[in-house]
Amino acid sequence: DIVMTQSPDSLAVSLGERATINCKSSQSLLYDSNKKNYFSWYQQKPGQPPKLLIYWASTRASGVPDRFSGSGSGTDFTLTISSLRAEDVAVYYCQQYYSFPLTFGGGTKVEIK
Amino acid sequence: QVQLVESGGGVVQPGGSLRLSCAASGFTFTNYGMHWVRQAPGKGLEWVAVISYDENNKYYTDSVKGRFAISRDNSKNTVFLQMNSLRSEDTAVYYCAKGLRTSSVYDAFDFWGQGTMVTVSS
Repeated sequence: DIVMTQSPDSLAVSLGERATINCKSSQSLLYDSNKKNYFSWYQQKPGQPPKLLIYWASTRASGVPDRFSGSGSGTDFTLTISSLRAEDVAVYYCQQYYSFPLTFGGGTKVEIK
Repeated sequence: QVQLVESGGGVVQPGGSLRLSCAASGFTFTNYGMHWVRQAPGKGLEWVAVISYDENNKYYTDSVKGRFAISRDNSKNTVFLQMNSLRSEDTAVYYCAKGLRTSSVYDAFDFWGQGTMVTVSS
């Protein structure tokens, strides 16, 4: 199984400041034939289902504000919130869809400092 | 708009069975793989199973193999999860999720239902 390791477990950031979350996979998620990373990010607010933010490591899902960006390739990935807003308080999860079982990282809780 | 509505959760004794349903609307159901993802209370997300758009491919996480079965009825835009031999560690909110791409099972999940709670307890 591919293990997804997120860091940090929690993060407190001032409003308007940058938040950075990292995710490392135990093997490469880059598929040679199409050069795509089979990797995504989700946001989950309390009492709600997760919401897709980023797929293919860097493509924003429909309706996602451009303050959210994804980067990285292979085994190392980053989610950046460029200017934190109060509504961004949530738990963020990374996920690989390269091989079964599909796996998630343990989550990163983002709070306001 | 895409809607996924789960039902069928509840309280069941260890060793018991439940059948979850997920009614889909707002998209061409027959084109997409459908997944079940669960979340134990206060814990992270765990992918459970997927069924391909044409029902020909099904995959499961190891801990549910031989106990859970995913199926779909494309005439009714519904996906199911039959859960047998339930254990306390199966206690979770179970989400139905739509695959992002047509005709794929290796996918991110672009829409999720609100979830249905399954509690396995004596």
